[in-house]
Amino acid sequence: GEDVEQSLFLSVREGDSSVINCTYTDSSSTYLYWYKQEPGAGLQLLTYIFSNMDMKQDQRLTVLLNKKDKHLSLRIADTQTGDSAIYFCAEPMDSNYQLIWGAGTKLIIKP
Amino acid sequence: DAGVIQSPRHEVTEMGQEVTLRCKPISGHDYLFWYRQTMMRGLELLIYFNNNVPIDDSGMPEDRFSAKMPNASFSTLKIQPSEPRDSAVYFCASSLAGQGIAYEQYFGPGTRLTVT
Repeated sequence: GEDVEQSLFLSVREGDSSVINCTYTDSSSTYLYWYKQEPGAGLQLLTYIFSNMDMKQDQRLTVLLNKKDKHLSLRIADTQTGDSAIYFCAEPMDSNYQLIWGAGTKLIIKP
Repeated sequence: DAGVIQSPRHEVTEMGQEVTLRCKPISGHDYLFWYRQTMMRGLELLIYFNNNVPIDDSGMPEDRFSAKMPNASFSTLKIQPSEPRDSAVYFCASSLAGQGIAYEQYFGPGTRLTVT
């Protein structure tokens, strides 16, 4: 069945780049998403990528998609303390309107 | 728009009591989702509605959980009787098919439930 996997924790130093990785199973997904959950809040869409793209850049964020390996990554340049959050990878379940969620990667920023 | 509204934000109750969580989706949205988030199990979809009709409730843990959507602007999730293992953060999210970014879900702030 469909599944989305990501590591649970990532620790980086302030100012370094963070790379959060995700693997997914449904090769027919038209979109792939990254959601961000700040402490004490709900999830919020951070960025997304169409399946016909390899890369998408938006200011400090870079999304890379490797369809052959079903691998998605989110790179955050110049990581700041405000980037501390849990980052969820998600893909749509095309048979209905659900999203399949990864477990979430908690990004920890060291001073 | 005020976004998705959930109430209460925090609920502490004793085992065996009935708990009702409330959600007001974004006006005009036609999908509504109830999720539960715990450290052990992560984010779990409990049930979702389309145009007020429950579509998939396979994630509802057991008969103690029930959800309703009597109209397009209100939904409830009820737990009766509550148990300590129900302690979690419960999120409501809504979305609108066919507009904006496909499948984008808008989350409420969550209700933190503690059952003692």
